[in-house]
Amino acid sequence: DIVMTQTPLSSPVTLGQPASISCRSSQSLVHSDGNTYLSWLQQRPGQPPRLLIYKISNRFSGVPDRFSGSGAGTDFTLKISRVEAEDVGVYYCVQGTQFPLTFGGGTKVEIK
Amino acid sequence: QITLKESGPTLVKPTQTLTLTCTFSGFSLSTTGVSVGWIRQPPGKALEWLALIYWDDDKRYSPSLKSRLTITKDTSKNQVVLTMTNMDPVDTGTYYCAHIRLERFWIVDYFHPWGQGIVVTVSS
Repeated sequence: DIVMTQTPLSSPVTLGQPASISCRSSQSLVHSDGNTYLSWLQQRPGQPPRLLIYKISNRFSGVPDRFSGSGAGTDFTLKISRVEAEDVGVYYCVQGTQFPLTFGGGTKVEIK
Repeated sequence: QITLKESGPTLVKPTQTLTLTCTFSGFSLSTTGVSVGWIRQPPGKALEWLALIYWDDDKRYSPSLKSRLTITKDTSKNQVVLTMTNMDPVDTGTYYCAHIRLERFWIVDYFHPWGQGIVVTVSS
């Protein structure tokens, strides 16, 4: 199984300041078709997860442009350029390259 | 617009079998290149993928739970059903179903959207 490791576990951020979350996979997520199936989800308190980013860096429809994804191979990053109050929640990376599908352990973004 | 909703019992006893239904709209599981998956989340913990079913009835399971899981679809009712046998208190959590966007008909690109989830408690 591909293990997805997220850091940090928690990220206290001042409103308006940036936040960065790392996701590292135990194996390369590059599929034989050349794509990398790494996506990011946001889960606000009491809500189901919501898709933010897919294929490393593609922002999903309706997602604010302060969210961006980057990385390659085994190292990936989600960045929030200026954290807003509505960004509080837990963020997960998930890989679809290989079965079984696996999620990271989650990173909690909270306001200082 | 795609929507999904989970239904089923919210309380089950240890050793019982859990049956959850995902009822969806906005797409058909008889259409080529469509998939639905189940994911669960223990209280305060991370997400865990359980199973998925493809439009052609192919299925994939989490290896650690494969012996206990069965996923089926009823295309006429727009439903996907997940059964989990021999329930244990550690299976307590929120169970979600989600539409899966596929690449090249079988590669999992992403989960979107998700249902609201159903909280299942396993207790005697």
